[in-house]
Amino acid sequence: EAGVTQFPSHSVIEKGQTVTLRCDPISGHDNLYWYRRVMGKEIKFLLHFVKESKQDESGMPNNRFLAERTGGTYSTLKVQPAELEDSGVYFCASSQVSGGGSPLHFGNGTRLTVT
Amino acid sequence: DAKTTQPPSMDCAEGRAANLPCNHSTISGNEYVYWYRQIHSQGPQYIIHGLKNNETNEMASLIITEDRKSSTLILPHATLRDTAVYYCIVRALDGTASKLTFGTGTRLQVTL
Repeated sequence: EAGVTQFPSHSVIEKGQTVTLRCDPISGHDNLYWYRRVMGKEIKFLLHFVKESKQDESGMPNNRFLAERTGGTYSTLKVQPAELEDSGVYFCASSQVSGGGSPLHFGNGTRLTVT
Repeated sequence: DAKTTQPPSMDCAEGRAANLPCNHSTISGNEYVYWYRQIHSQGPQYIIHGLKNNETNEMASLIITEDRKSSTLILPHATLRDTAVYYCIVRALDGTASKLTFGTGTRLQVTL
């Protein structure tokens, strides 16, 4: 079974540019989560999809971040325009069901560097 | 979600058991205890989780005290590859609050 895959693995962009990160969850997983880790900080929750619906987007830092999951399969996270403080590693995770007994499985992340 | 307290770092000799403690004194009856680890800059890796009873899988064992206020993750025969940051997380059973909240974890260093 393929795990959670994220693309690209690395991205370097200039301040003000746009970047789109992609996440393909494990097949059959309705729940998809985005997290990020900025330098020296803890891993922070961004948002949670159940199929194509946003269940919880309380962690989204501001309106420069837009997450979509059309069709309830893969998801994209767009940052527009990127700022220096957006640099970090963005992780995606998926789980089969929403309940607390269903583990989240993480991808290896996209390392974003904004210069 | 209830907060957890872990020691910032621990050392363990290769081949020995690594016992990682976690306090979660405010845990409620509908919250699981989860353990994840992060090796280098890889994504967090699921290890094990439990509600009340002790649990064991191919990676580790989880011992939860009877009052559920603390737990211990046991890696029975630690190897150098187990060097990582280990996170103890309390997670609500209710599906509407199913996100994981990461703290600072315990940095485990396995040495020769």
